[in-house]
Amino acid sequence: DTEVTQTPKHLVMGMTNKKSLKCEQHMGHRAMYWYKQKAKKPPELMFVYSYEKLSINESVPSRFSPECPNSSLLNLHLHALQPEDSALYLCASSQDTAEPYEQYFGPGTRLTVT
Amino acid sequence: AQSVAQPEDQVNVAEGNPLTVKCTYSVSGNPYLFWYVQYPNRGLQFLLKYITGDNLVKGSYGFEAEFNKSQTSFHLKKPSALVSDSALYFCAVRLNTNAGKSTFGDGTTLTVKP
Repeated sequence: DTEVTQTPKHLVMGMTNKKSLKCEQHMGHRAMYWYKQKAKKPPELMFVYSYEKLSINESVPSRFSPECPNSSLLNLHLHALQPEDSALYLCASSQDTAEPYEQYFGPGTRLTVT
Repeated sequence: AQSVAQPEDQVNVAEGNPLTVKCTYSVSGNPYLFWYVQYPNRGLQFLLKYITGDNLVKGSYGFEAEFNKSQTSFHLKKPSALVSDSALYFCAVRLNTNAGKSTFGDGTTLTVKP
């Protein structure tokens, strides 16, 4: 199974809502990533988890809160978002971060903040 | 520091003709280079990577890329383009010292016309 799954596929939320994005992989990968992607732009790294510990936070606003409950799951908790946070949120995984393994991406969650 | 440039926003080729999507990089160490493809409303999909060794790297779907250290380039090529190759292509670079963090180019939209 070389698939990364993400739920939901689409999410519309108001600026006062709290919601969560979920990501799952069953490839035994020990590194997981969150990216934000605007239309026709490159993905922007937000967070990296290595062996379930947060290893990189790219100065992301605190209204985005990542969580890695176990080696297969990655969540992104959202609270008090702004309209400019509307984007495609991509989850990815790789075997680990110490070696240059390729990343496997999920299909993304398209988020609209109203 | 690491950066990657894709000098062409758009590449148009006729089906059956060879295609090239350009990528140049700038790093202060030994680079690891990747190509990913993104189809509409999908996540990124890994095509190929250069780590070390043979400068010509072969990947998925008949794509290949040549690492050129003197020109700091890693151009993606395919001998005969298909309409189904039409997509957004991203080059990415990471350093062996920058665990987990890849820098993506701005992307090149490839359109293959029948």
